[in-house]
Amino acid sequence: GAVVSQHPSRVICKSGTSVKIECRSLDFQATTMFWYRQFPKQSLMLMATSNEGSKATYEQGVEKDKFLINHASLTLSTLTVTSAHPEDSSFYICSAKRAGQGRFATNEKLFFGSGTQLSVL
Amino acid sequence: QKEVEQDPGPLSVPEGAIVSLNCTYSNSAFQYFMWYRQYSRKGPELLMYTYSSGNKEDGRFTAQVDKSSKYISLFIRDSQPSDSATYLCAMTLSGGYNKLIFGAGTRLAVHP
Repeated sequence: GAVVSQHPSRVICKSGTSVKIECRSLDFQATTMFWYRQFPKQSLMLMATSNEGSKATYEQGVEKDKFLINHASLTLSTLTVTSAHPEDSSFYICSAKRAGQGRFATNEKLFFGSGTQLSVL
Repeated sequence: QKEVEQDPGPLSVPEGAIVSLNCTYSNSAFQYFMWYRQYSRKGPELLMYTYSSGNKEDGRFTAQVDKSSKYISLFIRDSQPSDSATYLCAMTLSGGYNKLIFGAGTRLAVHP
């Protein structure tokens, strides 16, 4: 089955530092990856859509200068939380879209990483 | 009003029980409906994927969509302790990737 690896699984950092989270598709190519954020007892919320070789598309209300996304290859996307603050503490999770076999690439071909729990002190 | 409402639970049932999980939504344009299972500190995994109204069955799982009521359900028969997880509903406007809107998730505990 398709595997998406996300690293690190947990990070604790001091306020003001930057944190990089990696998302890798291990056995398939992912032209598109997605980054979500989940606060306790709340829904997964899409932050941005990352396309290989182009700039990410950010959802309304998400600061692109704070959440830097780089999708440099077909198997790797990174999210960097710059100058993290306690309010950035959350569960961050990526997903990768695998191209479908037929004419349509459906949501059945979307695979999630294991998530990163970020705690900013 | 949230686009997708889901009771966060927790829901605790004995092994072998039939579990009913539900979501309501406000956007009548949603056409594709999904249920994901998420174990603690893991990413969601797709359980069921349905289009428009109707039922879909896969083993012990049955997904129902009632678009007229804007209500979707996931039934788990003969529940097992290994079913203990958080169940997320999600929906989108079209089949090709479009923005997934998630419910908050219902935490289920199946005790022996």
